[in-house]
Amino acid sequence: RKEVEQDPGPFNVPEGATVAFNCTYSNSASQSFFWYRQDCRKEPKLLMSVYSSGNEDGRFTAQLNRASQYISLLIRDSKLSDSATYLCVADTPGSARQLTFGSGTQLTVLP
Amino acid sequence: DGGITQSPKYLFRKEGQNVTLSCEQNLNHDAMYWYRQDPGQGLRLIYYSQIVNDFQKGDIAEGYSVSREKKESFPLTVTSAQKNPTAFYLCASQDSKIQPQHFGDGTRLSIL
Repeated sequence: RKEVEQDPGPFNVPEGATVAFNCTYSNSASQSFFWYRQDCRKEPKLLMSVYSSGNEDGRFTAQLNRASQYISLLIRDSKLSDSATYLCVADTPGSARQLTFGSGTQLTVLP
Repeated sequence: DGGITQSPKYLFRKEGQNVTLSCEQNLNHDAMYWYRQDPGQGLRLIYYSQIVNDFQKGDIAEGYSVSREKKESFPLTVTSAQKNPTAFYLCASQDSKIQPQHFGDGTRLSIL
């Protein structure tokens, strides 16, 4: 089982739609979680940090369910500019490598 | 502005040649990382360093080497032993284990 697992997609949604991505993690001791956005042929950029039950930033909401060991990312009112790959990341307690990255979920917002 | 600088942006390697990718940060972060990303794939950890003069192998260290002589710098050498070096290489730094990693804008390496 992968340490951080995401549905690779692709998710193709119309502009204005609401879309949700789920991510599961295997280390129950993980405390810090992040969502990154990566545009084609660019570096990942931090979208949101999640340290407690969730976080909200404008159209983006992240929720953490520790009992089921998953994190979700909800995007409301999708824009064309939201098209990207979204990476789910968890810290790795007990390991010096600090963070574990999921493989990413690809989103395309269609006009 | 604080940040991470990778150079060059594009690099071409001849067969049998070693090449070195530069990564410099002025964020005063202790930890630095090198990842490799192949088209349509996720990030794979090559090497990481939590402190000056110390580094550890990641998941795919074979054919690569690093050094950490200064806090600001973590260069990656792709040796001739790496038979399939064509990829997007990303360097990152991190302040502490509960903080996110910050990335440079990457180096694209290709074989001539």
